[in-house]
Order: sequence, then structure tokens, then C-alpha cells
Amino acid sequence: EIVMTQSPATLSVSPGERAALSCRASQSISTNLAWYQQKPGQAPRLLIYGASTRAAGIPARFSGSGSGTEFTLTISSLQSEDFAVYYCQRYNNWPPDTFGPGTKVDIK
Amino acid sequence: QVQLQESGPRLVKPSETLSLTCTVSGGSIISYYWSWIRQPPGKGLEWIGYIYYSGNTNYNPSLKSRVTISVDTFKNQFSLKVNSVTAADTAVYYCARDWGPYIHAIWGQGTMVTVSS
Repeated sequence: EIVMTQSPATLSVSPGERAALSCRASQSISTNLAWYQQKPGQAPRLLIYGASTRAAGIPARFSGSGSGTEFTLTISSLQSEDFAVYYCQRYNNWPPDTFGPGTKVDIK
Repeated sequence: QVQLQESGPRLVKPSETLSLTCTVSGGSIISYYWSWIRQPPGKGLEWIGYIYYSGNTNYNPSLKSRVTISVDTFKNQFSLKVNSVTAADTAVYYCARDWGPYIHAIWGQGTMVTVSS
């Protein structure tokens, strides 16, 4: 089974700064990767799929990159509403739907 | 726009069956995949399974023996049953509309289900 890991577990960032979140797969998953944002008490929201395609309505400050085993979600200039937990998810192979453990982005 | 709403009992006794329904409004259940995902308190996300509007299903192997997902296209609803529940099944349960499947594009607000006697 392909295992997903995310780092760091917590990222402390000041508003306006850039944040880079890492997601790694234990085997190649091509670009079959999505990113979700989850705020406290809310459902997750799809940000990125296909490793780099923004979902509808997602601001351009969110970008995804990578392929194979290493992926990055970059938030170019953090806004107050961006402080949340971010999950990566692979959607290939079997079982096909595995989420990473998450990275919490909090205010520095 | 499309909205999803989970409904069902919030408290289930151990060894009994957890049953939830997801009602889709603002759009048709036809031509999409629909998933259930859960999140234990303070923990990460676990995909439970999906159903296509035609009735085809696929389940997480870790839960497959206890899970059934069904669809009612006339009511624009799909449902989840988890048998023989234990405290480990306590979680927020989300329904979602998928692309693909597996890309969970639109989510319900979630419903907390507690397994306790």
C-alpha cells in the first residue's frame, strides 16, 4: 500500500508570508494528487487536483506542483482565512483514496 | 448550486448499525460518483466508499465487510450503513460529490455520530 506523509506537521507563518507544504508518496503516483483545506468545525474544501490544477473558485495564491513521489502546495501570501489544516490525498492504485496526516498552518 | 446534507441518528449503540442519508439539492444525482468519508475526533480523513448513480460501488478494504452504500435516484439521495459498530466508528461522517471518482469536489457539512451505550 502506498503511504502518504506530510511535512511539517505544523507550520507557523506570519500573514503576508509565503508557505510551502510538502507531501510525499512512498511510491510514484504520477500526478494523481489532490489538496484540501479544512478549517475548524468545517468540512474539507478541494483546492487542487491533478497535482497542479486549481479547483473552481480557488484563489490564485494557491498553487500545487510536483509529480511522482514529491509534491508541494504553495500559498504565495497568507491571508487570515488561510490558517487551517491542509491534507494531501492520492487517488490512484488500490486502495485508491488515501489522505495524508495533514499540515496545520497557524499564525506566527 | 449543489448542496449536500447528511442526516441520521447521532448516537448508535455498540454492535448495532449506523445509518446515514445524504440528500442532494440544487442538482441531480445522475452522472456523478458519490462518496462517504469520515473523520474521528481530532484525527485525519478516511474514505469509506463511493457509489455511482447507476448503483456501482467500491469500498475501502478496511471497512468493506461492514459497509453498504446505496442510491435512490428518485429521491436524489444516497445512503450509508455500517454494521457491528464499535467506539472506533465514532466520527464526523461526510458525504461528497466526486469527480472521477475519488476527487471529492463538493462536501456536505458533516454529521457527528457517536457509538456509545
